Amino acid sequence: DTAVSQTPKYLVTQMGNDKSIKCEQNLGHDTMYWYKQDSKKFLKIMFSYNNKELIINETVPNRFSPKSPDKAHLNLHINSLELGDSAVYFCASSPRGNYGYTFGSGTRLTVV
Amino acid sequence: QKEVEQNSGPLSVPEGAIASLNCTYSDRVSQSFFWYRQYSGKSPELIMSIYSNGDKEDGRFTAQLNKASQYVSLLIRDSQPSDSATYLCAVNSGSARQLTFGSGTQLTVLP
Repeated sequence: DTAVSQTPKYLVTQMGNDKSIKCEQNLGHDTMYWYKQDSKKFLKIMFSYNNKELIINETVPNRFSPKSPDKAHLNLHINSLELGDSAVYFCASSPRGNYGYTFGSGTRLTVV
Repeated sequence: QKEVEQNSGPLSVPEGAIASLNCTYSDRVSQSFFWYRQYSGKSPELIMSIYSNGDKEDGRFTAQLNKASQYVSLLIRDSQPSDSATYLCAVNSGSARQLTFGSGTQLTVLP
């Protein structure tokens, strides 16, 4: 029933580990996104993925890699986690055209 | 210069009052404008979208857009304590399909 679902909701891990966050949308939307929200609530685009076209925010370290097996899924893999990666990561999707996003419930990542 | 700017607040209004939230943006070719509401610990929720100059009303919410001044605002009439949240302004610029968000304004409606 959930429109955009993310797993896990919480993720606590040690520095240096590799982890993945999964996202799935059942809205039939064309484009999916990953955003990072820091402790000050600022949402910053990381990636957008539309029909196999990947747009990367150039400020995102290459330790972060999106993987999209199909139009309904966009996963985020993070290598060699650092303390500064701690944040809430939101997946979102949007239909064709300039319409607003639907967000997933977020994944709170804590690196210790 | 930030692409989308909002007063971070916090903004406090009494119950029943009008809350006014403001946002400015730097990219003149911006086409689509959105307001999201985010409760603490929750994900952003789309509450208003506006694409043309002028006002757009939806229930107690009114979005106002002035492209010449690069300004978009959200008015909440008859504010309720349940409106207490962070309000995020978002702008879609040109051919990019990505939304750029402001840092949000925290609104508290006092009973």
